[in-house]
Amino acid sequence: DTEVTQTPKHLVMGMTNKKSLKCEQHMGHRAMYWYKQKAKKPPELMFVYSYEKLSINESVPSRFSPECPNSSLLNLHLHALQPEDSALYLCASSPGTSGGWEQYFGPGTRLTVT
Amino acid sequence: AQKITQTQPGMFVQEKEAVTLDCTYDTSDPSYGLFWYKQPSSGEMIFLIYQGSYDQQNATEGRYSLNFQKARKSANLVISASQLGDSAMYFCAMGNAGGTSYGKLTFGQGTILTVHP
Repeated sequence: DTEVTQTPKHLVMGMTNKKSLKCEQHMGHRAMYWYKQKAKKPPELMFVYSYEKLSINESVPSRFSPECPNSSLLNLHLHALQPEDSALYLCASSPGTSGGWEQYFGPGTRLTVT
Repeated sequence: AQKITQTQPGMFVQEKEAVTLDCTYDTSDPSYGLFWYKQPSSGEMIFLIYQGSYDQQNATEGRYSLNFQKARKSANLVISASQLGDSAMYFCAMGNAGGTSYGKLTFGQGTILTVHP
């Protein structure tokens, strides 16, 4: 099973709202990722968690706050977003540094900030 | 710095024919991996195939094969017997195995493939 699940599928939020995106995998992977993708562009890496520790933060604004409660779950907390943050947010996982590094992606959350 | 170049913004192919999507890369690291992903209009990125820099043989997965030419720094994706469901955006990506770069994929700009009946 190479499934990564993400909820919600769609999210509309105002600039003063606080919301969270959720991601889950049960493949025993030890690395998890958040990407942001604009239409017809490649995904842009935001954060990498490796063995539940934040290992890469690609200079993402603090209005995006990641959290990795355990090895299967990854959250992205959103606060005071801007309209330009509207995008497809993709979660991915990979085995970890002791295994392969092909990443498996979830279906994404389409976020609209009004 | 790593760089991936996909020079074909769009490609068209007739159903049941083969198609090659181009990808060239640039890196100074001796150990790296090359990946191809498919992204249909639904948005999900689907992992297709992987080639390691030290792999002697070209990777194959069903109708997908990766034409790896290390000296030319190219990693073209070949799709045989195209199907209508192959219509999608295709991304080439490169990454490194370990250290602080683990997990950091560099993506190309993508190629939109359209399969005609």
